[in-house]
Amino acid sequence: AQKVTQAQTEISVVEKEDVTLDCVYETRDTTYYLFWYKQPPSGELVFLIRRNSFDEQNEISGRYSWNFQKSTSSFNFTITASQVVDSAVYFCALSDFDRGSTLGRLYFGRGTQLTVWP
Amino acid sequence: EPEVTQTPSHQVTQMGQEVILRCVPISNHLYFYWYRQILGQKVEFLVSFYNNEISEKSEIFDDQFSVERPDGSNFTLKIRSTKLEDSAMYFCASNLGENTEAFFGQGTRLTVV
Repeated sequence: AQKVTQAQTEISVVEKEDVTLDCVYETRDTTYYLFWYKQPPSGELVFLIRRNSFDEQNEISGRYSWNFQKSTSSFNFTITASQVVDSAVYFCALSDFDRGSTLGRLYFGRGTQLTVWP
Repeated sequence: EPEVTQTPSHQVTQMGQEVILRCVPISNHLYFYWYRQILGQKVEFLVSFYNNEISEKSEIFDDQFSVERPDGSNFTLKIRSTKLEDSAMYFCASNLGENTEAFFGQGTRLTVV
């Protein structure tokens, strides 16, 4: 069964600190996609990144970076030099493909509440 | 930038009443979804819809729920007889195809009293 675990419920950091949000997933499928979404206090879900199971290259986008390691079934998210505006709930999600499900069926983790203090 | 639009942003209804949540997906998208997030909990898949029919649904999506695409732009979620436990944020999402990411609307907060 598909499962996403975000063990960190809440993290607090001070502005300019680096912070890593952990995500561990379980799936029996060989083809799958991993995602990160941000949910700011206003409540919407903002897409951050998608990574497919065949692409283990790490990705950097500005202050954001993602580390995908199939060997440990992890897809961790690092924010460098955090800012107050980064305060939000961050969700990791998994989408399988082999079962014929459409890509939009996502299995979400419980989310990590990140608070960045000035 | 195209976006998924949901109305209303907040709906309060009495237990037992029917509610219809509305969504306008991104115009060239082909797959549509509803998700639910009970306050403080994770986002859960309800249903996916493609080619004018349900392609997949979760165990949450029981006979009380239905979806419809009444015209070329709207996608609706109907809850026939609301219960207190239906109180949640409901998200609509859409994507272009099987290899693309889903984009979410801003959500409708449903409060059943």
